[in-house]
Amino acid sequence: AQSVTQPDIHITVSEGASLELRCNYSYGATPYLFWYVQSPGQGLQLLLKYFSGDTLVQGIKGFEAEFKRSQSSFNLRKPSVHWSDAAEYFCAVDPTGNQFYFGTGTSLTVIP
Amino acid sequence: NAGVTQTPKFQVLKTGQSMTLQCAQDMNHEYMSWYRQDPGMGLRLIHYSVGAGITDQGEVPNGYNVSRSTTEDFPLRLLSAAPSQTSVYFCASSPGGLTDTQYFGPGTRLTVL
Repeated sequence: AQSVTQPDIHITVSEGASLELRCNYSYGATPYLFWYVQSPGQGLQLLLKYFSGDTLVQGIKGFEAEFKRSQSSFNLRKPSVHWSDAAEYFCAVDPTGNQFYFGTGTSLTVIP
Repeated sequence: NAGVTQTPKFQVLKTGQSMTLQCAQDMNHEYMSWYRQDPGMGLRLIHYSVGAGITDQGEVPNGYNVSRSTTEDFPLRLLSAAPSQTSVYFCASSPGGLTDTQYFGPGTRLTVL
């Protein structure tokens, strides 16, 4: 079955440490790929998206993601995490341009 | 600019009751959508609209109705609420469709007893 997988339900990192959140998808062709962030009690905000071209995508708040076709992955990274980055992170794909599938999310805790 | 607004913030219903979740946006976006968020399942697309008068089904449309009479408003109707519809509901809008940046409202937490 086609799916979006975020294998890490919860991650804890120290403030200032680097971060990588994993995302894998299982659609035949390369879908449109997204990362959204949800702060507690809030709606979602787009961090970045990939359609084609350069496989390293820069987003807001210092985040970047790398598309790897061979691994069907679109992992999110940040070199130095801030306490304000604590939130829920969702990977999402749109395989056709008119559907949208979110992963189950990764909850990030940042410790001082 | 209020962005995307949703009312109510919280709602408790009894099984079989009907209600409408309201969503409005003031960004003149053509595209609007409804999602539900359940623990451990991420967000799932219920219905979407590409413009006034045009709606289509998403991944989990059963039990929900929508209509789009204006660009600004996209209400979600539950005709006969069921406990399985207990969820947090998010409305979103975007200028250019699902592949464009979606702007989300703050959500409505619905409990069906």
